[in-house]
Amino acid sequence: LQMQESGPGLVKPSETLSLTCSVSGIAITTNSYYWGWIRQPPGKGLEWIGAISYSGSPNYAPSLNSGVTISVDTSKNQFSLKLSSVTAADTAVYYCARGIAIFSMVLAGMDVWGQGTTVTVSS
Amino acid sequence: DIQLTQSPSFLSASVGDRVTIACRASQGIGNFLGWYQQKPGKVPRLLIYGASTLQSGVPSRFSGGGSGTEFTLTISSLQPEDFATYYCQHLNSLFTFGPGTKLDIK
Repeated sequence: LQMQESGPGLVKPSETLSLTCSVSGIAITTNSYYWGWIRQPPGKGLEWIGAISYSGSPNYAPSLNSGVTISVDTSKNQFSLKLSSVTAADTAVYYCARGIAIFSMVLAGMDVWGQGTTVTVSS
Repeated sequence: DIQLTQSPSFLSASVGDRVTIACRASQGIGNFLGWYQQKPGKVPRLLIYGASTLQSGVPSRFSGGGSGTEFTLTISSLQPEDFATYYCQHLNSLFTFGPGTKLDIK
């Protein structure tokens, strides 16, 4: 199983950040998993952004809720992140990761991560 | 929203030491807690889920405990490769991370 983030490394303030996570080795439609996004600003800790399962609705961190959209593209075995109206505070390494579902919205951890992609917000 | 805090923020220890890192939840979360290790420039690694279940492949010197609002990660005998930053994560509904504990060599 591999996960790989892709997208622009530079985004202008007020624009929309769009990233894609390509999943190989397992079908994204498998019901046992959640597919999530996490970010890490330079020199800081991990921040959970949101997650989605194939069969359920996405859930988002309350602090980012109004500007975040996570969706799944089953035809490409990918899921994506859109973050609108970005500012310099959104500069970070963005990771996609797989969460193992025990029940609906309950995980046994996030066990597989992409390598991360650096996104800089600057004009 | 449930908030996670960790203590200490920084910890200096020596190879062979036993260390414990604490994670506190702002309200009870049962045993829905995980622990991760992250080394500089590397991807986070899942160590423990369900508060105390060791992820496959993780050395047995790592152990987790607690339930409700108080949780711990213990490393029984520090090895050189264990010096890293450790994060706890809530594993029910909103998968918030704690702020991290940096463990470095004394």
